[in-house]
Amino acid sequence: AQTVTQSQPEMSVQEAETVTLSCTYDTSESDYYLFWYKQPPSRQMILVIRQEAYKQQNATENRFSVNFQKAAKSFSLKISDSQLGDAAMYFCAYRSRLGGGSQGNLIFGKGTKLSVKP
Amino acid sequence: EAQVTQNPRYLITVTGKKLTVTCSQNMNHEYMSWYRQDPGLGLRQIYYSMNVEVTDKGDVPEGYKVSRKEKRNFPLILESPSPNQTSLYFCASSFWGSAGELFFGEGSRLTVL
Repeated sequence: AQTVTQSQPEMSVQEAETVTLSCTYDTSESDYYLFWYKQPPSRQMILVIRQEAYKQQNATENRFSVNFQKAAKSFSLKISDSQLGDAAMYFCAYRSRLGGGSQGNLIFGKGTKLSVKP
Repeated sequence: EAQVTQNPRYLITVTGKKLTVTCSQNMNHEYMSWYRQDPGLGLRQIYYSMNVEVTDKGDVPEGYKVSRKEKRNFPLILESPSPNQTSLYFCASSFWGSAGELFFGEGSRLTVL
């Protein structure tokens, strides 16, 4: 079974600085998706960025980028020019591309709580 | 507007009193799922559904039931709630195999006394 591990329960960053959140995963599959979701105090789950495993190029969305290392099964999130609104819980998640049964379910890490200091 | 709608958003109930949390999506998604979120445990899947009349257990199904009679609706039923089911619940949906993104409802905070 696949697992997702976020080793940093809490992180802190100064406003305008850069922070990197770590995520590792375990799978025997070669084709899958990886995601970072943000959960602000409103509790809403917001998709930050998505990476498809067959793509070698790292995904980027404005100030958010990932470092996807497929062989190492690592998927870190870098937030540049951190803003107060980035303060939230961040979840790394894995989803198989294989169809059928539980293989397509989204598997989450336990989350990293990010604080942004003004 | 494309959305996943859960009701109620907040509920306080007592042990043993049956309750249903409704979930509806307007995106014609085949796949729907329920998660519970607890501090330090992340999101854990309760049940999921691949399509109408097709449901299966997730990682923590004990004490819950679901049904999928219509494509848009996927209610979560707690037949006899207990305090260990106090949690934040999320419903989510997606197309199957299309970029993989799950769309989430706004969450339902349930307290069982």
